[in-house]
Amino acid sequence: GENVEQHPSTLSVQEGDSAVIKCTYSDSASNYFPWYKQELGKRPQLIIDIRSNVGEKKDQRIAVTLNKTAKHFSLHITETQPEDSAVYFCAAENSGYSTLTFGKGTMLLVSP
Amino acid sequence: DADVTQTPRNRITKTGKRIMLECSQTKGHDRMYWYRQDPGLGLRLIYYSFDVKDINKGEISDGYSVSRQAQAKFSLSLESAIPNQTALYFCATATSPQETQYFGPGTRLLVL
Repeated sequence: GENVEQHPSTLSVQEGDSAVIKCTYSDSASNYFPWYKQELGKRPQLIIDIRSNVGEKKDQRIAVTLNKTAKHFSLHITETQPEDSAVYFCAAENSGYSTLTFGKGTMLLVSP
Repeated sequence: DADVTQTPRNRITKTGKRIMLECSQTKGHDRMYWYRQDPGLGLRLIYYSFDVKDINKGEISDGYSVSRQAQAKFSLSLESAIPNQTALYFCATATSPQETQYFGPGTRLLVL
């Protein structure tokens, strides 16, 4: 099955700085890579996703890059704000099962 | 997202007791999932169902069972609860494997 590694496990930045979270995956047939944000005490919610036919996708301050050859993808948040503080999960599609395998999560803390 | 609901929201039980967690959705999605969240371990898939007659084991199904009573309802049972099943449990729904998974609010379970 798919194995997803996520780093770092915690990340502290100052407001206005950029934050990068990286994930690697094992299944070369995976074609779908979503990112979920979970605020404290809340449910995970999708913030951005990317499919294997593109290398980068942006949505305002958030961007995701994908390198299929190296089997890694990254989340980039620019101009971080305190409300970006949350746990972020990457995931990769289990191509044989039509399910997602999630990384262990990154706790991002943005200090004012 | 009020379209996916879980009951109960919190539950304390004792070792050896049978317990059922329920999930309902009004989104009309065929695919439903049960995940378990533990600190530092991310979201791990317990069971999933692609329609009423389709039930599949996930990564960590031992000690759990499920029932898909209708398209809108997917229940998770712990036949004989044990303390290491103490966790936050999420239900999720989706239309297809490469589309957003919508999570319920979660059920916090404590097994004494």
